[in-house]
Amino acid sequence: KQEVTQIPAALSVPEGENLVLNCSFTDSAIYNLQWFRQDPGKGLTSLLLIQSSQREQTSGRLNASLDKSSGRSTLYIAASQPGDSATYLCAVPVGGYQKVTFGTGTKLQVIP
Amino acid sequence: NAGVTQTPKFQVLKTGQSMTLQCAQDMNHEYMSWYRQDPGMGLRLIHYSVGAGITDQGEVPNGYNVSRSTTEDFPLRLLSAAPSQTSVYFCASSYSPGVSGNTIYFGEGSWLTVV
Repeated sequence: KQEVTQIPAALSVPEGENLVLNCSFTDSAIYNLQWFRQDPGKGLTSLLLIQSSQREQTSGRLNASLDKSSGRSTLYIAASQPGDSATYLCAVPVGGYQKVTFGTGTKLQVIP
Repeated sequence: NAGVTQTPKFQVLKTGQSMTLQCAQDMNHEYMSWYRQDPGMGLRLIHYSVGAGITDQGEVPNGYNVSRSTTEDFPLRLLSAAPSQTSVYFCASSYSPGVSGNTIYFGEGSWLTVV
């Protein structure tokens, strides 16, 4: 059974700091990995999707990397802003492609 | 483009009542799914569908029923509500998940309380 872990569960940083969020998965035979953002009381919004053949993806101040062999992905946020405060979740397909398993998320607070 | 629309946003049910959470998408997506989100448990898959007329169980299907008569709609039915079903429910859709790696779109969520 694929298990997806995100550590830490919560993170508080001062504005302007660069930070890294971690995602670990137990089954390295994945097709892709997605990072999502969830604001309080809202649904999830896709941030980045990394295909298994890729090592990283970038969008603005966000950079996600994927290391299948070690079962890890990281989400790097550069020059953090208060507007980045949210919960960040990673997700991987399970047993084929019909099902997706989510991590429990990292709640990020960026302090002005 | 409305994306994924869920209704109702909030609902309070009494134990034993039944209700249907509605989900509709206007992106012609094949794949739709329902998750519940509980503190400390993350998102857990309830049911999913890979196309009209095709549904299957996810991780926590007991107490829930689904059908997919059209591409656009994927309602989730609570057959006899229990307090353990108090949760936030999310509907999601995509062209096809996993292998092809299409982005998954989520609805805004439905907050359900069973008393």
